[in-house]
Amino acid sequence: DAGITQSPRYKITETGRQVTLMCHQTWSHSYMFWYRQDLGHGLRLIYYSAAADITDKGEVPDGYVVSRSKTENFPLTLESATRSQTSVYFCASSAKNTEAFFGQGTRLTVV
Amino acid sequence: AQSVAQPEDQVNVAEGNPLTVKCTYSVSGNPYLFWYVQYPNRGLQFLLKYITGDNLVKGSYGFEAEFNKSQTSFHLKKPSALVSDSALYFCAVRDPYYTGGFKTIFGAGTRLFVKA
Repeated sequence: DAGITQSPRYKITETGRQVTLMCHQTWSHSYMFWYRQDLGHGLRLIYYSAAADITDKGEVPDGYVVSRSKTENFPLTLESATRSQTSVYFCASSAKNTEAFFGQGTRLTVV
Repeated sequence: AQSVAQPEDQVNVAEGNPLTVKCTYSVSGNPYLFWYVQYPNRGLQFLLKYITGDNLVKGSYGFEAEFNKSQTSFHLKKPSALVSDSALYFCAVRDPYYTGGFKTIFGAGTRLFVKA
């Protein structure tokens, strides 16, 4: 099915562990984004990518790593998870002059 | 640096009355502006956008927004609110001239409550 999918939908991990959130889109959109949503902060941009192998930091990049070896995939890795990274994470993609299309989100809990 | 502000955490309106959700922005050039809606435990759904052209843009579900360059605003409006419009609304801005390219920044969100 066409669209943007995130996996897993829910994840519980322990402090200090590495965890990777996956994002896959089928539109061949050039641009992809990772946001985190926290109460009182809205959506904050973590990283974004303009094309394969081109990524850049957003508003809150510390503690996160991204890669984009293929246009359709944009995984987000928490290198050593902390409780402050408990959040809902949204992946999105867009073409040059279009709106962004969002995935359903991944609810991550760090214990 | 680009930024967007939604000055109201919450907006309350009676069903049938007009609603306005406010948004102001700051970018170095001409912005791309967006409104999204989020229902509980769901992702964000696109409502409308301003890229260029007519300052009044119409979107999904009867919503519209007016781009005001002098006031750097992009307020979301609907002539007659429905209870089903109750949700979390986000304004977003993209600076197409930013050298980093297409970074899209969101506001903190405004929760809309429509009372029957």
